[in-house]
Amino acid sequence: GEQVEQRPPHLSVREGDSAFITCTYTDPNSYYFFWYKQEPGASLQLLMKVFSSTEINEGQGFTVLLNKKDKRLSLNLTAAHPGDSAAYFCAVSDTGGADRLTFGKGTQLIIQP
Amino acid sequence: AQTIHQWPVAEIKAVGSPLSLGCTIKGKSSPNLYWYWQATGGTLQQLFYSITVGQVESVVQLNLSASRPKDDQFILSTEKLLLSHSGFYLCAWSLTTNTEVFFGKGTRLTVV
Repeated sequence: GEQVEQRPPHLSVREGDSAFITCTYTDPNSYYFFWYKQEPGASLQLLMKVFSSTEINEGQGFTVLLNKKDKRLSLNLTAAHPGDSAAYFCAVSDTGGADRLTFGKGTQLIIQP
Repeated sequence: AQTIHQWPVAEIKAVGSPLSLGCTIKGKSSPNLYWYWQATGGTLQQLFYSITVGQVESVVQLNLSASRPKDDQFILSTEKLLLSHSGFYLCAWSLTTNTEVFFGKGTRLTVV
């Protein structure tokens, strides 16, 4: 079955710097990719859903890159601010469906002032 | 607006004791419901899903069971906890299997 490896497990950057998180997956039939953010005590919040046809996806304060050749999904938080401190999870699906999500182990991101 | 509520927020239980975790979804009829589990340092794994009342499918075997007694309620339980059951349990819902999934705030379970 699908396996997703997420790195790094912990990341600390200074306010204003960039934070880069990467997931690699194994199933070449994966077509839907997700990034979730979880603040302490809160639910997982969907940051972005990416389809396999789009390599560069711009969000508010972040960019998601998809490299299908290398089976790599990346989240780049630009100009990080304290509100970005949270756990981030990638997830991959071959159907886009909630019943077939495979998650990475998560990255604990800390933004230092 | 739809809301998802999980209870309890956290629980410390003894090995061999029973467990019941609950989840309710308000504002949406006939949602698909899911239980996810994350062991400490591990990844989120889907345990169960349900597309209708009374019908639950098991995805991962962990000596746990799930039930959907009402359209808006999903229960995760076991009669005998193991140390390996410790972790973070998330309930989630989606409109269909091909739409976005929304997560509850989770329950932190520590088995001692």
